[in-house]
Order: sequence, then C-alpha cells, then structure tokens
Amino acid sequence: KAGVTQTPRYLIKTRGQQVTLSCSPISGHRSVSWYQQTPGQGLQFLFEYFSETQRNKGNFPGRFSGRQFSNSRSEMNVSTLELGDSALYLCASSPRTVHNEQFFGPGTRLTVL
Amino acid sequence: QQQVKQSPQSLIVQKGGISIINCAYENTAFDYFPWYQQFPGKGPALLIAIRPDVSEKKEGRFTISFNKSAKQFSLHIMDSQPGDSATYFCAARRGADGLTFGKGTHLIIQP
Repeated sequence: KAGVTQTPRYLIKTRGQQVTLSCSPISGHRSVSWYQQTPGQGLQFLFEYFSETQRNKGNFPGRFSGRQFSNSRSEMNVSTLELGDSALYLCASSPRTVHNEQFFGPGTRLTVL
Repeated sequence: QQQVKQSPQSLIVQKGGISIINCAYENTAFDYFPWYQQFPGKGPALLIAIRPDVSEKKEGRFTISFNKSAKQFSLHIMDSQPGDSATYFCAARRGADGLTFGKGTHLIIQP
C-alpha cells in the first residue's frame, strides 16, 4: 500500500504571497490531519478533515485554511505569508477520526523569504 | 502553555545500552499516548502507543511505561542500536482532538 504523499516537497515563496500544499492519504483512509513543524515550536496541530468536513482546528490564525475532496485528498492554504510561516508542513492520514493511529507523509518544506 | 513536556532534549547512549526518554502531561483528559520516531527528511512514524488503563506496553525492543497518578510516561529502548539514532517525540491526544507533541529528543547511539 502506498504511503501518504505530499506535493510539492519543497517550496520557496516571498512574504505576502499565498501557497497551497497538497496531501494524498493512504488508500481507504478518510481522515487527514495537518501539522506544522518548526525548530522553535515543534510539531503543532493545524486542523483535521474527515468526510470533507473540518472536524478540529488548532490554534492558528485564519490565514491557515484547508479543505478535503470527495476522494479524501486534502489541500491546505496559507495566505499572506509571513517569515514565521517557514516550516515543514506534515500531513497525516488515518482510516477514520477518533482513536486511530496517524500515518505521516514526508512533509512539504516551505521557506518564506 | 506546553501541555506535554519531554526530556531530555538530547541523549547519547552506547550501543547495546538502554535509552530512556520521559514525558509529563498536564491534561488529565488525554486518553491516548503515542511515541513517534523521525529520521531526517522523513515524517514521524508511529513506534508504539498506550492508553491510560494500561501501565506498560512492550513491542519488541520498545516499551512504554505509564504512570497515571504522576501524569508521566516514558519510552525505553532496550539493546539500543545505531539505527535507532533519530528524533523521538511523545504525544498525547484527547478524544478526537489533534495530537499534542512534546518538543522531541535527539537520540544518538554510539557504536
């Protein structure tokens, strides 16, 4: 079974731009969660989608948004990029929400200049 | 507010030794406690997980010890090998919430 795939793997943007990251979960998995990983703050939960609905949201500003499609693929969008948004963005999938182990993708490394 | 505190930040262990990483949590509503292993350039991978109704869980060389009254849990890696060198994260979850991670421990196993 193929793992979680994320595209692109690397991205360079400038302040003020917006960016869209993509995640394809493991086949059959319907829950997709997004996390931000930085050296200073570590791994922080952004949001979770299940059946095309946002189920949970972490403590991030409204510039961070996401969506999920009917095939469970998910995208996250960051608008008006700030230098502090430079991070590794990780997507994790699980068969369903609540009490399931999460399988992480390799991440998208975003650099904001 | 850091809800899951992990220590030490870095750890060096000789090959064949026991690696021990500790975590403490504050929220008594947490009901799922996983440990993840991350290699450079890769996403975290689930190693082992425990629920609060169990005090210990062992899978191969990896053991979680859980102390509910002290609100602490730890990861023990027996017979540590150079291939175990990685960053380890403890985490906690309440119900359907997202995972709350510790800051990570950079483990080096010296040959």
